[in-house]
Amino acid sequence: GAVVSQHPSRVICKSGTSVKIECRSLDFQATTMFWYRQFPKQSLMLMATSNEGSKATYEQGVEKDKFLINHASLTLSTLTVTSAHPEDSSFYICSASYSSNTEAFFGQGTRLTVV
Amino acid sequence: SQQGEEDPQALSIQEGENATMNCSYKTSINNLQWYRQNSGRGLVHLILIRSNEREKHSGRLRVTLDTSKKSSSLLITASRAADTASYFCATPNQIGFQKLVFGTGTRLLVSP
Repeated sequence: GAVVSQHPSRVICKSGTSVKIECRSLDFQATTMFWYRQFPKQSLMLMATSNEGSKATYEQGVEKDKFLINHASLTLSTLTVTSAHPEDSSFYICSASYSSNTEAFFGQGTRLTVV
Repeated sequence: SQQGEEDPQALSIQEGENATMNCSYKTSINNLQWYRQNSGRGLVHLILIRSNEREKHSGRLRVTLDTSKKSSSLLITASRAADTASYFCATPNQIGFQKLVFGTGTRLLVSP
């Protein structure tokens, strides 16, 4: 099956700094990728839809200035958590799929800890 | 919230037993997907069942879909300790869209 690679898998940063997370589709072109956030023992909550060549679409309640998304190529989307605070600590996961009627492929996830 | 619900929230069984998880969703769908997540890892796709299908099998997995009740079930037969994980159902938020809405998940623990 298709592979989606996410990097880094873990990151610890200081409050006030910014962190960039990369999501790559390794063997297919993804015009659309998705970013999710997951709190411990909870389900995945969609944060935003990353659209190649255009602005990301954010879900209600997600601060677009806090979570910057860039989808500059058909195989790479990046999520930058700006001016991170401890409450931003979470597990972030990206996904991509071929179409609306096929399965999604997920990255390995990034565990962000802000201290 | 569009989020679906799963039950049970947690399930503990012995190796060799069967595990059944149920999922309910809220909108019309063209497919429903089941995923597995090991602790602290990404999600692994298990099965996709389309709205015109009622049952689907993959190895020890059996998925059913009842669109009239907006529900689905995942059955894992002859469970193994390695099946210990969280299981999520997911549906596109709108027909024709890739955006997935996930259920609340079932945490399965299979003891040797």
